[in-house]
Amino acid sequence: DTEVTQTPKHLVMGMTNKKSLKCEQHMGHRAMYWYKQKAKKPPELMFVYSYEKLSINESVPSRFSPECPNSSLLNLHLHALQPEDSALYLCASSQGMRGRGTQYFGPGTRLLVL
Amino acid sequence: TQLLEQSPQFLSIQEGENLTVYCNSSSVFSSLQWYRQEPGEGPVLLVTVVTGGEVKKLKRLTFQFGDARKDSSLHITAAQPGDTGLYLCAGTGIYRGTSYGKLTFGQGTILTVHP
Repeated sequence: DTEVTQTPKHLVMGMTNKKSLKCEQHMGHRAMYWYKQKAKKPPELMFVYSYEKLSINESVPSRFSPECPNSSLLNLHLHALQPEDSALYLCASSQGMRGRGTQYFGPGTRLLVL
Repeated sequence: TQLLEQSPQFLSIQEGENLTVYCNSSSVFSSLQWYRQEPGEGPVLLVTVVTGGEVKKLKRLTFQFGDARKDSSLHITAAQPGDTGLYLCAGTGIYRGTSYGKLTFGQGTILTVHP
């Protein structure tokens, strides 16, 4: 089974709201990723967790706050977002960060910031 | 910084035609993945190629990884409307390189197959 699940599927929030995106995998993968994707463009890496520790932060604004409670779960906490943050947010996982670790993506959360 | 040049960006063809999508780089990749994505959904893995010169087939899709592990191609034979979507190539950075742990994506190819 190569399934990564994400909730919610859709999210609409105001600029003053606080919300969270959730991601889960049960493949025993030790690396998990958050990506942001605009329409018809490739995904852009935001964060990488390796063995539940933040390994890469691609200079993402602090209004995005990642959290890895355990090896199967990954959260992205959102606060005071801007309309330009509207996008498809993708979670992915891989066996590890080692060079040949194929990344498997979840279905994404479509976020609209009003 | 590693770059993957993917071409063409757009492809509009008739059902039954063949097509090839290319991904080229000046950098070496540890492995290369091809994904297909439909609007509003996450990328779905089609294949991972690892060895230089490797050829993999998935029904009507043929994937090649260049001998030097710097380029790859996706060939679709007798395209069908169900093949419509965004195709992404993505390379995995080599161990201890500056792109280690990251996927370098091509710009994507939007394929439309008309009935």
